[in-house]
Amino acid sequence: GAGVSQSPSNKVTEKGKDVELRCDPISGHTALYWYRQRLGQGLEFLIYFQGNSAPDKSGLPSDRFSAERTGESVSTLTIQRTQQEDSAVYLCASSQRGGRLSELFFGSGTQLSVL
Amino acid sequence: EDKVVQSPLSLVVHEGDTVTLNCSYEVTNFRSLLWYKQEKKAPTFLFMLTSSGIEKKSGRLSSILDKKELFSILNITATQTGDSAVYLCAGDSGGGADGLTFGKGTHLIIQP
Repeated sequence: GAGVSQSPSNKVTEKGKDVELRCDPISGHTALYWYRQRLGQGLEFLIYFQGNSAPDKSGLPSDRFSAERTGESVSTLTIQRTQQEDSAVYLCASSQRGGRLSELFFGSGTQLSVL
Repeated sequence: EDKVVQSPLSLVVHEGDTVTLNCSYEVTNFRSLLWYKQEKKAPTFLFMLTSSGIEKKSGRLSSILDKKELFSILNITATQTGDSAVYLCAGDSGGGADGLTFGKGTHLIIQP
């Protein structure tokens, strides 16, 4: 697609439920990132996928968070047993790699509200 | 641990004023520094800086990097209400995460 697409744009869920967030990166971008942004805060790195390499999960805050990506296409971020502290905007970004300096293209994010 | 600190955290000025936003960084294996403008949810790319002392310019916006003192500034001249946004600075590391370390951003409000 022309840009990074995320869905849903807004998600309201009850505490304890699981949620799945989707990111469709720019075609041809090998790198895909998930970030979390709490209200009034900067972007917090969650997880990074680069091609078919093992993902860098060092930013995931707990084992309730997981993400998958098939090849160089769509990624899903899953949050199990959601807590109120999970409420935030979840941003996905993609970029080209392979010797080039990075430039991230962000999606519009998913606003997650846990009641 | 990599760190990026932006100042001020918020700034309110009048239309037509010039503003300078600051970003200092401590990034292992530093490769570049990036500036983004965030309106609503999606940050949009402004500048990528890799070399010291070379100003990058786009319209009323300009930015420069000092790799000796480990900081960058973003200047906006003749500000307009459409410049109101959160401006994010990020350090690009060649480390294991191969990602960016973001600052908390400067929330800029331009009053008419």
